[in-house]
Amino acid sequence: DTEVTQTPKHLVMGMTNKKSLKCEQHMGHRAMYWYKQKAKKPPELMFVYSYEKLSINESVPSRFSPECPNSSLLNLHLHALQPEDSALYLCASSQIGLRGGKPDYQETQYFGPGTRLLVL
Amino acid sequence: RKEVEQDPGPFNVPEGATVAFNCTYSNSASQSFFWYRQDCRKEPKLLMSVYSSGNEDGRFTAQLNRASQYISLLIRDSKLSDSATYLCVVKVGFQKLVFGTGTRLLVSP
Repeated sequence: DTEVTQTPKHLVMGMTNKKSLKCEQHMGHRAMYWYKQKAKKPPELMFVYSYEKLSINESVPSRFSPECPNSSLLNLHLHALQPEDSALYLCASSQIGLRGGKPDYQETQYFGPGTRLLVL
Repeated sequence: RKEVEQDPGPFNVPEGATVAFNCTYSNSASQSFFWYRQDCRKEPKLLMSVYSSGNEDGRFTAQLNRASQYISLLIRDSKLSDSATYLCVVKVGFQKLVFGTGTRLLVSP
């Protein structure tokens, strides 16, 4: 089962709201990712978690706050967003390959269906 | 210069045609390369990884030229269901994927 699930599918929020996006995978993957995709643009990496620890933050504004409660779940907390933050938010996961017992490479990333966010 | 560059298209081809997409990347240290497919309003899905020796999966053939920092995808006998955006993807460092802007393919009857 190569499924990554995301909720909600659609979200409309005002600039003063607080909301959360959720992502779940049960493939035993130890790396999880948040991407942002604007219309007619490619996905852009926001955050990476490896073994439930934040390993990459691509200089994302603090109004986006990621959280990885356990190895299967990834959340993205949203607060005081701007209309330009409206986009498709994609979650992905991948296994981490070990070589000599140490994390060495990242295998194929599997994407969830995304949450389409509109900020008014 | 963008890290990964692709011709955005669209490429309009009839069913049964052969079509090729190209992609160039700027980071010579990149080690892993992929083609993803993205249908309208859907998530990207891995089409195939790209290996130095070139690889084929059915009607799809991918090639990598490290010296020229160039990746290609060839689709033979195009089907209507091949209509999608094809994303060239390069892994930079341990975990970061960088996506090209995508090439849109429209296959018509």
